[in-house]
Amino acid sequence: GQQVMQIPQYQHVQEGEDFTTYCNSSTTLSNIQWYKQRPGGHPVFLIQLVKSGEVKKQKRLTFQFGEAKKNSSLHITATQTTDVGTYFCAGIRDYKLSFGAGTTVTVRA
Amino acid sequence: DAGITQSPRHKVTETGTPVTLRCHQTENHRYMYWYRQDPGHGLRLIHYSYGVKDTDKGEVSDGYSVSRSKTEDFLLTLESATSSQTSVYFCAISTGGLNNSPLHFGNGTRLTVT
Repeated sequence: GQQVMQIPQYQHVQEGEDFTTYCNSSTTLSNIQWYKQRPGGHPVFLIQLVKSGEVKKQKRLTFQFGEAKKNSSLHITATQTTDVGTYFCAGIRDYKLSFGAGTTVTVRA
Repeated sequence: DAGITQSPRHKVTETGTPVTLRCHQTENHRYMYWYRQDPGHGLRLIHYSYGVKDTDKGEVSDGYSVSRSKTEDFLLTLESATSSQTSVYFCAISTGGLNNSPLHFGNGTRLTVT
């Protein structure tokens, strides 16, 4: 079945530094979505990528969809304490959506 | 958020008892979903609905049933709760199907089965 793997599982970042989290699928995806969940909260939709090689930016967040549509990345620059939380990718194939296990981000002030 | 209300927010129940979780939406969206969230597993789909009385199984449907008699309500029932069903349960809605519409989640129900 479709599997979406996220690495790393945990990311400890010094405030002001950059980091990247990766999402890899065993199969080619139609689309990929990214969600953020704050501690104690619910997942909130961030963005959807559809096209091969697509790059989208939201302020300090840069999302990329791989050329083969089997992987994606989220890069955060100048990390802030507001970036704390768990980031999930969700791959879509054949009308089925599969979530990765998430990358949990903590920030050292 | 997105007019989704889950109830109860917290519940503790004993093994073997039936439990029903409710999801109510005010947006009149066609698609509704139940997910469970466990550490290391992300979010896993239990059941989903694409209309009144139209439901289908997700990847972890064993031990769960659902009903949707009205557009606005989607109920998740654990017929006989087990400790492995201790989890956080999220309801979600989408404007379209899973292929291209983002999910909007409720605040979740934390269920503990003792």
